[in-house]
Parts: sequence; C-alpha cells; structure tokens
Amino acid sequence: AQTVTQSQPEMSVQEAETVTLSCTYDTSESDYYLFWYKQPPSRQMILVIRQEAYKQQNATENRFSVNFQKAAKSFSLKISDSQLGDAAMYFCAYRRGRDDKIIFGKGTRLHILP
Amino acid sequence: DTGVSQDPRHKITKRGQNVTFRCDPISEHNRLYWYRQTLGQGPEFLTYFQNEAQLEKSRLLSDRFSAERPKGSFSTLEIQRTEQGDSAMYLCASSFQAGSRGEQYFGPGTRLTVT
Repeated sequence: AQTVTQSQPEMSVQEAETVTLSCTYDTSESDYYLFWYKQPPSRQMILVIRQEAYKQQNATENRFSVNFQKAAKSFSLKISDSQLGDAAMYFCAYRRGRDDKIIFGKGTRLHILP
Repeated sequence: DTGVSQDPRHKITKRGQNVTFRCDPISEHNRLYWYRQTLGQGPEFLTYFQNEAQLEKSRLLSDRFSAERPKGSFSTLEIQRTEQGDSAMYLCASSFQAGSRGEQYFGPGTRLTVT
C-alpha cells in the first residue's frame, strides 16, 4: 500500500526567510503524481504544486519549489521569501497514475514569525 | 460558480441521530470525491463519483455511510446512527478530468461533532 510520511508536525520560519518541509513516500508504482496542498486555518485546501513522477525536472511555482528525489522517494517543499500568508497546514500527497483518490500525509503546521 | 460549496459548514448532533451533508461541485466537473479529516490527520479518501456512478468506496465507508450523486451534479453523504468516532471534517472535492491533469478542487468542508 502507498503511504506518505511527513516527519515534521510543526515548523517555524522568520518572515522573508526560506523553509523546507520534508516528505517521504512509499510506492511500488512507476506512474504517480505528488502534490503539496496548503490548508489555511478555517479555509479550504488549495493545491500549491504538483510533480509528475516521470519528469526529472523539479516543479516550481513562484516562491514554491520542490526537490523530487525519486530513488530516495523524497519530495520536499521549499518556500522562499516566506510571507505571513504562508502560515497554514501543509499536506504532502500522492496519487497513483490511474487512480483518482489522493493519499495525504499527516501534515506540517507552518508558522511564520514576523 | 466560484468553487466547491458544502452545506452545512458545521453540524452538531447527538449520538444515534442521522445526518446528511451536501456538496455542490464546480459546475463543469464530472468527478466528485468525499474525504474525511480527523483532528491532527490528513484527509482520508471515502468515495468518489464519475457523473452519477459511484466508482470506488473506501473500507472506511461503513454500512452506516451512504453517498449519492443522483443527477451527476450535487452529492449527498448520509451517516446513519452517528457515533462519536464519526466526529470529523468531511471534505468534498471535484475535478474535470480523470488521471494526470484532473486537479481536485476542495470545498470548505462540513465539521461534524457527535455528542
């Protein structure tokens, strides 16, 4: 069975600094997708960034980038120039290529210190 | 239509009562998903529909749970004879396409408290 592990329940970063959230996953599939979702307090979950397993290039979306290490089954999220609005719960997630259900990790709560 | 909506946002019920939640997906989306999120955990998949057909159900979806999407638009999730362990946030998501590009858009959730 596929699993997603986030080993950092909480993290804090100073505003304008860079922070990296860790995620590992386990799968025997070759066709899959990895995601980072953001869930702000009392607000709905939104997709931050997506990585297709077949792509070697790391995905980037503005201040958000990933470090996808396929052999190590590692998928970390780097947030550059952290802003107060980045404070949220961040979930690492996996989806097998032919499935539609998403498997989430337990999340990392990110605090931004002014 | 600006996103996925869910109703109610909060529900408090006594143990043993039945509850029903509604999800309205983004209008052109043909796929609809239900997830459950308990405190301190990530969302867990419950079930999903393509149009009106329920294509997959998780083992988490006990006999007391039933979901429908009668006309391929909105969906309802009913929990019968609620138990305290049912207390959770119930999230709905929708997507337009299956597979690789089918990004799931989430609603705000319905928070259920069973007393």
